[in-house]
Amino acid sequence: SQQGEEDPQALSIQEGENATMNCSYKTSINNLQWYRQNSGRGLVHLILIRSNEREKHSGRLRVTLDTSKKSSSLLITASRAADTASYFCATVDYKLSFGAGTTVTVRA
Amino acid sequence: KAGVTQTPRYLIKTRGQQVTLSCSPISGHRSVSWYQQTPGQGLQFLFEYFSETQRNKGNFPGRFSGRQFSNSRSEMNVSTLELGDSALYLCASSLELTEIYGYTFGSGTRLTVV
Repeated sequence: SQQGEEDPQALSIQEGENATMNCSYKTSINNLQWYRQNSGRGLVHLILIRSNEREKHSGRLRVTLDTSKKSSSLLITASRAADTASYFCATVDYKLSFGAGTTVTVRA
Repeated sequence: KAGVTQTPRYLIKTRGQQVTLSCSPISGHRSVSWYQQTPGQGLQFLFEYFSETQRNKGNFPGRFSGRQFSNSRSEMNVSTLELGDSALYLCASSLELTEIYGYTFGSGTRLTVV
């Protein structure tokens, strides 16, 4: 079963704009990970945030984590056409438990 | 270094047949996990192998099985295929410290059952 929900399900933005997506989860976690998937191909690991961290940056990505609300957000700044993909959050125990994903379309 | 390699990329099978998918992990990674992705159910965990032993298993019927070889390469097998088995099957390899390093996925095998 999926861990939680992502919001929104789909997002369409203009190149150069920021994209924000949210993820909620159900259980307590040690860490939460974000992955990107291009056109039904494999997933690419983007960033990992630990439960004792509130915010983490990697290039144009910013992830926040609020364990009291069991939620996380991923911000992509200055989006590019190449950012068009589906984005998934996942909690980790012995396996990855994914949300349903947010499909992001960046228009040129 | 080479990534996770899954073969074949695409496969079309008939109901009732069986299929074997292959996954070669990143060199040095001893853990291999398999996931099924469908539009309806999303990404679902199938099983995980570590040092040739199945360490964890998801909630799938016994028709789904797997194994891991001494070189860490893994195969998964689906017997008596059903239409609902049509999916993208993803393999992921990892070092043991997944809390630090995350998982590396292959490009997947797209299975279509007709």
